[in-house]
Amino acid sequence: NAGVTQTPKFRILKIGQSMTLQCAQDMNHNYMYWYRQDPGMGLKLIYYSVGAGITDKGEVPNGYNVSRSTTEDFPLRLELAAPSQTSVYFCASSYSQGPTYFGPGTRLTVT
Amino acid sequence: KQEVTQIPAALSVPEGENLVLNCSFTDSAIYNLQWFRQDPGKGLTSLLLIQSSQREQTSGRLNASLDKSSGRSTLYIAASQPGDSATYLCAVVDTDKLIFGTGTRLQVFP
Repeated sequence: NAGVTQTPKFRILKIGQSMTLQCAQDMNHNYMYWYRQDPGMGLKLIYYSVGAGITDKGEVPNGYNVSRSTTEDFPLRLELAAPSQTSVYFCASSYSQGPTYFGPGTRLTVT
Repeated sequence: KQEVTQIPAALSVPEGENLVLNCSFTDSAIYNLQWFRQDPGKGLTSLLLIQSSQREQTSGRLNASLDKSSGRSTLYIAASQPGDSATYLCAVVDTDKLIFGTGTRLQVFP
């Protein structure tokens, strides 16, 4: 199993540009999450999904959108990039309330 | 609103010491609690998961306890080694969401 994979690993965006962070898992997990981690800070939940076709907002959803059309994939969309979105983004998945597995992260810089 | 706090924020100890990391949460209605390790510039690795009905879990030199009624969990690391140096995060599953503390940055020096 590849586990949780994220692409790209690094990205630099200009203010106002858009991009999609990709996340996929091959463990047939129903729960998937997107977090952001700012330097020296904990993880903040952006969006989460409890199954295909179901998504919900976390603590910091503004400026982001998600979709979950399949069990495996959970992409995160940034529509109009702002400097405040400079962060490391982690995708994670779990089966109900089982152990949570994280991807390696995407380091995003908005200038 | 569930809030998760970890103390201390940072800890520096000599190799061989036994140490305790603390995690507290404000709402005891949790499904489980997980401890993670994060190395600099890396993702998170799950260390231990304690279901709400359990009191503790052990894995090698790690032992995690859970006291739901008091909203506390501790991670005990026995005979610490330099390779244990990392940030340790606890997280509670609150309905469908995993809520994180801010972590304890541990340095074990030879």
